[in-house]
Amino acid sequence: EDQVTQSPEALRLQEGESSSLNCSYTVSGLRGLFWYRQDPGKGPEFLFTLYSAGEEKEKERLKATLTKKESFLHITAPKPEDSATYLCAAPLSGGYQKVTFGTGTKLQVIP
Amino acid sequence: EAGVVQSPRYKIIEKKQPVAFWCNPISGHNTLYWYLQNLGQGPELLIRYENEEAVDDSQLPKDRFSAERLKGVDSTLKIQPAELGDSAVYLCASSLGGEQYFGPGTRLTVT
Repeated sequence: EDQVTQSPEALRLQEGESSSLNCSYTVSGLRGLFWYRQDPGKGPEFLFTLYSAGEEKEKERLKATLTKKESFLHITAPKPEDSATYLCAAPLSGGYQKVTFGTGTKLQVIP
Repeated sequence: EAGVVQSPRYKIIEKKQPVAFWCNPISGHNTLYWYLQNLGQGPELLIRYENEEAVDDSQLPKDRFSAERLKGVDSTLKIQPAELGDSAVYLCASSLGGEQYFGPGTRLTVT
């Protein structure tokens, strides 16, 4: 069964303390991975698409990487405004139209 | 460019009552999704449309849930009758086949 697992469930960081979030998946024939950010009371906001192992993408303090079995979202020198839940999603067989989401990592950055 | 629009944002109903949610996707996006999201969980697909056609509704509880996407643009999701367990956030998303763009969601509370 295709599955996406995120860890940790929650992460509390001091401002400026860098860390990484993990997304592991058991999706046959993985063809990419999406990262989203979700703020309380809002819908998920698209961050990155990674298409193949070895690919990296960056946006401000966030950097996403992809291997054959997992993806990492690295957060460098986070600020309180980075506090949110970060979701990853993997496309299932058949194309990018259907994805399965992980349960997310709730990140809290303390000033 | 306007994002995905959903209404209402909040809805409180008594069990056994009907309820309907409306979604207007991003202009030009042919794929439309309805998701259910429980607290602390990732979005779970209810139904996916490609233009006017429901191409994936395997997770939609068809005894009480129904959806339509007339003219391949706006969509409505209906629950009749609602049960206590239907309390959740209902998200609408649209895409061109890759990353998805989400609306703010409708928070449904069934009492």
